[in-house]
Amino acid sequence: DIVMTQSPDSLAVSLGERATIICKSSQSVLYSSNNKNYLAWYQQKPRQPPKLLFYWASTRESGVPDRFSGSGSGTDFTLTITSLQAEDVAIYYCHQYYSSPWTFGQGTKVEIK
Amino acid sequence: QVQLQESGPGLVKPSETLSLTCTVSGDSISNHYWTWIRQPPGKGLEWIGFISYTGSTNYNPSLKSRVTISVDTSKNQASLKLSSVTAADTAVYFCSRGRSAQTSIIGYWGQGTLVTVSS
Repeated sequence: DIVMTQSPDSLAVSLGERATIICKSSQSVLYSSNNKNYLAWYQQKPRQPPKLLFYWASTRESGVPDRFSGSGSGTDFTLTITSLQAEDVAIYYCHQYYSSPWTFGQGTKVEIK
Repeated sequence: QVQLQESGPGLVKPSETLSLTCTVSGDSISNHYWTWIRQPPGKGLEWIGFISYTGSTNYNPSLKSRVTISVDTSKNQASLKLSSVTAADTAVYFCSRGRSAQTSIIGYWGQGTLVTVSS
């Protein structure tokens, strides 16, 4: 199984400041034949289902604010919120769909400082 | 806009079979991947498995011997069956769909339904 490890487990950021979440996979999720990273990011707010933010590591889903960005390749990925807003308080998960079983990171809780 | 709604018993006895239905509105169930994911209270996400638009299935090996995922195109529903449940199967169960046709990337989610395993 591919193990997804996120850091930190939680972080508190002031409104308007940057939040950075790291996700590392235990093996590469880059498929060489199409040069795509099979990595997605989800945002989950309390009592709601997860919401897709990015797929292919850096392709922003429609409707996601551009203060969110996804980057990385291979085994190392980053989700960045450049100017944290109150509505961004949530748990963020990375997820690999490269190989079965699909797996998720343990989640990173983002709060307001 | 496609909407997914999970339904089924909220309480299941140990050793029995958990059965959930995902009713799809706003789009046809055909030509999509349907994935089930669960989340124990206060914990992270666990992939259960999916059924593809071709009808092929892929299950988490940790659950494979107990899981069946299927679709009923006549009812526009997907379903999940998990047999021989224990307290460890207590979780919110989410039905989800690929973000677009023939795509496995999870883009749409139901609200989830809490299933408690207890006698």
